[in-house]
Amino acid sequence: AQSVTQLDSQVPVFEEAPVELRCNYSSSVSVYLFWYVQYPNQGLQLLLKYLSGSTLVESINGFEAEFNKSQTSFHLRKPSVHISDTAEYFCAVIGSGGYQKVTFGTGTKLQVIP
Amino acid sequence: DVKVTQSSRYLVKRTGEKVFLECVQDMDHENMFWYRQDPGLGLRLIYFSYDVKMKEKGDIPEGYSVSREKKERFSLILESASTNQTSMYLCASSLQGPSGPNTGELFFGEGSRLTVL
Repeated sequence: AQSVTQLDSQVPVFEEAPVELRCNYSSSVSVYLFWYVQYPNQGLQLLLKYLSGSTLVESINGFEAEFNKSQTSFHLRKPSVHISDTAEYFCAVIGSGGYQKVTFGTGTKLQVIP
Repeated sequence: DVKVTQSSRYLVKRTGEKVFLECVQDMDHENMFWYRQDPGLGLRLIYFSYDVKMKEKGDIPEGYSVSREKKERFSLILESASTNQTSMYLCASSLQGPSGPNTGELFFGEGSRLTVL
């Protein structure tokens, strides 16, 4: 079984400032890691994922996340946020060895202030 | 693009009513899931299915049942709705993974917000 902790329920940040959304996980097996984004009144959509290989993964809209196995973390970062980044962000984990369930964190609401 | 369609965006039901939430995906995905989303609790898995006619309980199955008669359709049923089932319900689907039935990449519908009075 695995678990995901997102300690920050809300993160306010000024436009064009950098942001980091924290995610820590626990698991007894190797994992795949994900960040999903949910814009207001919409379902979730995949932002980026780590399956294997390079520990730094990037999204098409400027977000990046780094898999840190020793610290069991997968923090999401963006060097300069935009108003359109206002959304709720969910970290998720799944064990890499077949027939596993996806476990989600409780979410972090990013509020970008003009 | 994968499209996951949930039949109703908003529903209002009375306590004790039977409620059906329908979900259809159009990309031939093997796996389908029902989650509920509540503030501060994130997404919690209710039921999932890896194949037609197959279903597995998730973390919070009490008070719910599901049906998967066709590969593209996964229905969530509340046999007797209660006020504590007021929530946002999200359906998702995913492809079969190389090392098992789920790589973890989920495609979500837009959600069904259910209010039980």
